[in-house]
Order: sequence, then structure tokens, then C-alpha cells
Amino acid sequence: KNEVEQSPQNLTAQEGEFITINCSYSVGISALHWLQQHPGGGIVSLFMLSSGKKKHGRLIATINIQEKHSSLHITASHPRDSAVYICAVIKPASGSRLTFGEGTQLTVNP
Amino acid sequence: DTAVSQTPKYLVTQMGNDKSIKCEQNLGHDTMYWYKQDSKKFLKIMFSYNNKELIINETVPNRFSPKSPDKAHLNLHINSLELGDSAVYFCASSQGPAGRWQYFGPGTRLTVT
Repeated sequence: KNEVEQSPQNLTAQEGEFITINCSYSVGISALHWLQQHPGGGIVSLFMLSSGKKKHGRLIATINIQEKHSSLHITASHPRDSAVYICAVIKPASGSRLTFGEGTQLTVNP
Repeated sequence: DTAVSQTPKYLVTQMGNDKSIKCEQNLGHDTMYWYKQDSKKFLKIMFSYNNKELIINETVPNRFSPKSPDKAHLNLHINSLELGDSAVYFCASSQGPAGRWQYFGPGTRLTVT
């Protein structure tokens, strides 16, 4: 079983909808990353969290360390948000090694 | 002025050949990584270098050999290519080895025929 699990694997939404992508992990972590992979293949870091909540534009990321769970929310979704969203964790004493979830394919229809 | 660049973007080659992928970052970072993304889009770390020194070496066949001539460059050389090596390889960089914000290159799609 993967140490980092994401749900759902695939998500289709209508433009304007509020979207939530979940990430659960089974190991102790020092930080959690959310990444976005565009349809063209490029990967962009969205957030790095070790506690609480962060917001950037229409994107919000939260983490609950006790429950080993993080969520990525997208408000007022737009077709340009269509991408694969990947959760990754850094375990303590692992240097900067990222352990990845399998990703969530999001499609936002106009 | 691309932050992390990789060459080539596409690489098609036959089994048994030797090939290299180059990565350069102009961010002044001291840590660089190679990741492999398989056909199911699953990412996995292969190697990490900090100040030209290997700090992460996952279970990767000896046919894969990273080389870091300086802090700004991390190349990946692959000997005796196999069909299973077909994947997208991403280079990334960060400041410091202790897990910081990582910047990814555009990826190199390797196809072995």
C-alpha cells in the first residue's frame, strides 16, 4: 500500500464548482507538498505545508497533522484548472526526498 | 530565462544504446534531483545531489549514473537502455537538502524501442 493516498483518482466538475482533493498519509512527516501537473506535462509546486492552512488566489490547502490528512480546495473552478494534482510528503530524516501520491486528474468543463 | 531546463525534451532510442539527459538550474540552488514518472504518471525519486555530493540514491539499476559537475548542473547517463526505461524524467532543484520548495524542469520523455 502506498504511504500517500489521494482521492478521488479522477474528478470532473462544472465551471464555478467548489472542488476538494484529499490526501492521506500513513507516515510521520516534516512537510507536505501540493503540486500541479499541467496537460503539457510541466510540474509546478503549489503549496508546502507543515501545519494549518495556506491560501493562494482561488487555491486553499489545509493539513491536519493529528489525522494525517490534507486537502486542496479550489474555489470558483475554471477550465484552466484542469490538471493532475499531486500530493507529496517529506519524511523526517529523509533529507529532501519527496514521497508522492498517485495524483488526482481534475477536469473542469465550461 | 528558464529556472530549471532539461535537454533534450524528447529522446527516442533503441534498446542497448547509451544516452544522457542534461539538467541546468539558474536559481543558485545547492540541491538537485532526478525523478522518474512512469506510464501511470506515478512519480518517484531516483537521485539527489547537494553541493555536488550524492545524498539520495534510491533503488535504481546501476545502469543509471548521475553526474554533477557543479551545483548548477545534474546530468543523468543511462547505459544499455531497456524498454522499461521508457518514462518521463524530471529534474528539480531546491535550496538546501532539508526539504524545501522544489522547482521542476519541463521533463524529458524517453522512449526506448
